[in-house]
Order: sequence, then C-alpha cells, then structure tokens
Amino acid sequence: DTAVSQTPKYLVTQMGNDKSIKCEQNLGHDTMYWYKQDSKKFLKIMFSYNNKELIINETVPNRFSPKSPDKAHLNLHINSLELGDSAVYFCASTGFEAQYFGPGTRLLVL
Amino acid sequence: GESVGLHLPTLSVQEGDNSIINCAYSNSASDYFIWYKQESGKGPQFIIDIRSNMDKRQGQRVTVLLNKTVKHLSLQIAATQPGDSAVYFCAENRNAGKSTFGDGTTLTVKP
Repeated sequence: DTAVSQTPKYLVTQMGNDKSIKCEQNLGHDTMYWYKQDSKKFLKIMFSYNNKELIINETVPNRFSPKSPDKAHLNLHINSLELGDSAVYFCASTGFEAQYFGPGTRLLVL
Repeated sequence: GESVGLHLPTLSVQEGDNSIINCAYSNSASDYFIWYKQESGKGPQFIIDIRSNMDKRQGQRVTVLLNKTVKHLSLQIAATQPGDSAVYFCAENRNAGKSTFGDGTTLTVKP
C-alpha cells in the first residue's frame, strides 16, 4: 500500500488555467505539507496543515490555495497558472519527526 | 534566519568506495536532524536521523555524525553501490514538524 499518494503524477497545462493536485496519506499522521521543488532540486515548503488546520504558510502567492477536508487529505489548487509555477510539487506527512513524501506531481506550464 | 546548507552540490565516487556527504546548519537550537535520499523521479525518502544529544548514529551501511560545536553533520555511506546514486538532503527539524532542508548533494557512483 502506498503511504502517501498524489494525483496526477504529470500535469501539462496552459498559462492562465486553474488546476488541482490531490494528496492522501494512510499513515494516520496529523500533519501534512506541500513542497515545491525547482529544477535545481531545492525543496521549499509551501504549506503545512495539522489536523485540518493551516499552521504554516510560507509567503506563497494567494493563487495557491490548500484545502484539507480531513487529516488524511491535503489538496492544492492553483489559479491562473504562470510559467514560473512549473516545478515538481511534493506532498508529505509526519507523525512526530521524519517526513514521508509522496511521489511528486510534475507540473509544466506552457 | 536559519539555514541548512550542504558543502558540495555534487559528489562522484567509485563503486565500493566510502562516500561522505557534509551539511552545515546555523541554528544552535536545532535538536533533530534527518538525512533523506531522493532517487530520480521519486520523492525524498528517510534514511537516518540523529538527535542533538548524540554524536553518532549507525544504520545499515550508513552513519551520521553530528558535531554541535561547529554545527556540522555528515552522512557516511560505506561500500557505495550504484543504487546509492541519488540526491541527498539534510534537514533540521525543530518545531511543529517543520523541517528546513539543505540544498542537496547529487551523488554519482561510477562502476
């Protein structure tokens, strides 16, 4: 069973479109995250939710809106996509310490 | 602000040799450190962790060393294999599970 899953794995879209990425974890963790990884592999935290409550919002443009319907799910909606949004987006979850990452969603904005 | 950085962005080793990947951190209040391995096309994966009350921790073929005096930690991989080729991240974790990640070192193992 996959511990942290994301859909879709690949996303190719036009500038200006709105898209969503979904994440689910079956580890029973309370805390979930979204990270953005650029072409240089730098991992930047975007958001963190603990038990459906937003606890970290790292100066991400408000075109990005996370939603956590329950503690096992954390989705990311992106409005008005821009070329600079092209990256790999990782979802992760944690119980206490180390984080468990999903396989990533490769977003390409044309 | 806090930062976590790796000394070298790339490291190339011969198969069978030992690898050492280094990481420096700036916040002396950091009390928990983690090494992650990211293979091509996958998400980062936990390898090993260490708390600040320890100097050394060993896993299977991996050892993490922590020097709090100079705020430095290293990951040593014994008898490096082709499957060890990946990007390695150190991360410092202090509060509410938030981790600050270093930039990553790309390890290439030559056969």
